Amino acid sequence: AQTVTQSQPEMSVQEAETVTLSCTYDTSESDYYLFWYKQPPSRQMILVIRQEAYKQQNATENRFSVNFQKAAKSFSLKISDSQLGDAAMYFCAYRPGADGLTFGKGTHLIIQP
Amino acid sequence: GAGVSQSPRYKVAKRGQDVALRCDPISGHVSLFWYQQALGQGPEFLTYFQNEAQLDKSGLPSDRFFAERPEGSVSTLKIQRTQQEDSAVYLCASSLDRTSNEQYFGPGTRLTVT
Repeated sequence: AQTVTQSQPEMSVQEAETVTLSCTYDTSESDYYLFWYKQPPSRQMILVIRQEAYKQQNATENRFSVNFQKAAKSFSLKISDSQLGDAAMYFCAYRPGADGLTFGKGTHLIIQP
Repeated sequence: GAGVSQSPRYKVAKRGQDVALRCDPISGHVSLFWYQQALGQGPEFLTYFQNEAQLDKSGLPSDRFFAERPEGSVSTLKIQRTQQEDSAVYLCASSLDRTSNEQYFGPGTRLTVT
């Protein structure tokens, strides 16, 4: 069975600083997708960034970027120039093919003004 | 355009009651997913539809849980004889097709069983 581990229950960062959220996963598949989702207190889950396992280049979306290490099964999220609106729960998720997502337990990100 | 909607947003049920949770996916989205999110946890996969066909129900925790999508659009998750451990937020997500990378989530239904 696939598992996703987020070892940081909570992270805190000063506004405008950079923070990195960690994620590791376990799978025997060679082709899969990885995602970071953001869930603000309103609970609407929003996709932040995605990575296809076959792509070596790390995905980037504006201030959000990932460090994907396939051999190490690691998929961390870096948020640059943190903003107050970035405060939320962040979930790492894995998906082989067209199946449902497997989520980690989440990291609560606090932005200090 | 309209996103994924779910109703009701909040539901309180007494233990033993049956409940029905509704999901309206984005129009034209073929794939529909249900997840259960317990307090302080990440969502857990329950079941998946492609059009009206339920292709995977491996995540349903017991035979008290039943999901349907009879016309390939709206889906209903039904829980019979609710138990306290069923208390959670139930999230619905849809995607354009089976190969689409992105799942769009609804706001969820918070179920509290007393």
